[in-house]
Amino acid sequence: GENVEQHPSTLSVQEGDSAVIKCTYSDSASNYFPWYKQELGKRPQLIIDIRSNVGEKKDQRIAVTLNKTAKHFSLHITETQPEDSAVYFCAASSKTGNQFYFGTGTSLTVIP
Amino acid sequence: IAGITQAPTSQILAAGRRMTLRCTQDMRHNAMYWYRQDLGLGLRLIHYSNTAGTTGKGEVPDGYSVSRANTDDFPLTLASAVPSQTSVYFCASSLTGVDSPLHFGNGTRLTVT
Repeated sequence: GENVEQHPSTLSVQEGDSAVIKCTYSDSASNYFPWYKQELGKRPQLIIDIRSNVGEKKDQRIAVTLNKTAKHFSLHITETQPEDSAVYFCAASSKTGNQFYFGTGTSLTVIP
Repeated sequence: IAGITQAPTSQILAAGRRMTLRCTQDMRHNAMYWYRQDLGLGLRLIHYSNTAGTTGKGEVPDGYSVSRANTDDFPLTLASAVPSQTSVYFCASSLTGVDSPLHFGNGTRLTVT
């Protein structure tokens, strides 16, 4: 089945700096890659997603890039703010696998 | 407000007892999922259902069962709870399955003593 690896497990940045979280996947049939943000004690919530026919997608300060050849995708947060502090999860899915596979999460801390 | 409702919010359960976690959605999503979240292990899939009347096993199905009698409800049952089932349980749904985003409930924090 699919194996999703996520790095780093923890990340601290100064407010205003950029943060990058990277994920790799193993199943070449994976075609949908969502990212979720989970604040402490709350549920995961979708922040951005990308499909395999697109290389990059941007939504204000958040962007995701996908390299299908290398089987990796990354989350980029620019101009970080304290409210960006949370755990971020990447995921990959394919219809052959019939489920989402999650990375183990990155705890992001934005230092004011 | 449309969404997913989980109950209870939290529960302390004695080992060996039977417990059903409830999950209801009103978004008419076809697919529903149960995940457990443990520190350092991320979200692991227990069981899923692509449509009413069908269910499938995820990554960690042992000790759990589910049913999907209708579109809206997807209960998760622990037949005989064990301490290793102490976790936060999230129910989720998606409109069409693995090519549409997951919407999560608020979770159930379960402690098995």
